[in-house]
Amino acid sequence: TQLLEQSPQFLSIQEGENLTVYCNSSSVFSSLQWYRQEPGEGPVLLVTVVTGGEVKKLKRLTFQFGDARKDSSLHITAAQTGDTGLYLCAGRLQGAQKLVFGQGTRLTINP
Amino acid sequence: NAGVTQTPKFRILKIGQSMTLQCTQDMNHNYMYWYRQDPGMGLKLIYYSVGAGITDKGEVPNGYNVSRSTTEDFPLRLELAAPSQTSVYFCASSYAGQSTYEQYFGPGTRLTVT
Repeated sequence: TQLLEQSPQFLSIQEGENLTVYCNSSSVFSSLQWYRQEPGEGPVLLVTVVTGGEVKKLKRLTFQFGDARKDSSLHITAAQTGDTGLYLCAGRLQGAQKLVFGQGTRLTINP
Repeated sequence: NAGVTQTPKFRILKIGQSMTLQCTQDMNHNYMYWYRQDPGMGLKLIYYSVGAGITDKGEVPNGYNVSRSTTEDFPLRLELAAPSQTSVYFCASSYAGQSTYEQYFGPGTRLTVT
């Protein structure tokens, strides 16, 4: 079983549309991160959220950490073809020295 | 800075062969990690290290070994390669002073075992 469940696993939309990706768990995390991975490359960190209810914005991307620190969402406004990639959420459990990764959401933005 | 570097980029092994995947970081990070990523999937932790001389198992350690003799290097050894080890392997590092353990990844090694 996956400690962090991402949904949807696959998403294909048209350029200009909005979308939301979810990362859910029954466990409480000290912090949660979102990474983007492009084909043939390693994941690259987008953002870290640490406080329940925290919202961070990165241009057209909005990240939110749930109030109970068990879930997170990534919202993209007016998606562009350059947003295409695999989006991974990763959380750190209290006291852990490593991250737990979700299975990823593969996003395709069509022109 | 080069960040995290991995060699080789690609490798084909026959069943039963052995090899070492190299990983080096130049950011003076204490923590280093090895993950595997199967097609269409997320990352599974193989082994990690919190400093030179200290290593620990992750979720999927069977069939692999690691060592950490220096801060910079964290090689992953595959003994008796099996088709189930066909995957993309990523090395990552993070700074112990950050409580969030944000990770920096290398470009990966694509391994095929036939």
